[in-house]
Amino acid sequence: KNEVEQSPQNLTAQEGEFITINCSYSVGISALHWLQQHPGGGIVSLFMLSSGKKKHGRLIATINIQEKHSSLHITASHPRDSAVYICAVIHYQLIWGAGTKLIIKP
Amino acid sequence: EAGVTQFPSHSVIEKGQTVTLRCDPISGHDNLYWYRRVMGKEIKFLLHFVKESKQDESGMPNNRFLAERTGGTYSTLKVQPAELEDSGVYFCASSRRDRLYEQYFGPGTRLTVT
Repeated sequence: KNEVEQSPQNLTAQEGEFITINCSYSVGISALHWLQQHPGGGIVSLFMLSSGKKKHGRLIATINIQEKHSSLHITASHPRDSAVYICAVIHYQLIWGAGTKLIIKP
Repeated sequence: EAGVTQFPSHSVIEKGQTVTLRCDPISGHDNLYWYRRVMGKEIKFLLHFVKESKQDESGMPNNRFLAERTGGTYSTLKVQPAELEDSGVYFCASSRRDRLYEQYFGPGTRLTVT
């Protein structure tokens, strides 16, 4: 069992829908990254957080350290949000989740 | 400020050949990391440089992989000889000395071994 589990693995939604991607981990961490990878593209760090909630535009990330769980939300989703979203926890090294492939249909 | 760059963006080689990947970190970033994602699996840590020194190379899969960072600037990752299972995307990241985990990622090099 991987130390970082993401759900769902794949998600297809219609434009405008509210999207939630979950990340659970089993190790003690100092912080957590949410990253985005577009098809054929590199990785972009969206958030690094260690407590509470962060918001950037239509993206919101929350973390509950006690429950070892984080969520990434996208409001008013758009086709350009289609990408793989990856959760990575900081436990000395970065430990990566498998990613969630998100497709937003017009 | 320029971001992390990697070269080449895509490399296709035959099994048994040698390939060298290059990563140029953000200027002034002492920490440099190599990661890779092989097909269908999670991204895995390979190694971590602090300047020119290997701080942690516990993720290097075997002795066919050799990473260097001479001079503490750019880094190279050589695979020799390449095997089919080495195919994947190799990412490089860098961070400031005092912000170990605030890592900036390069676009990756897609390696295909045929």
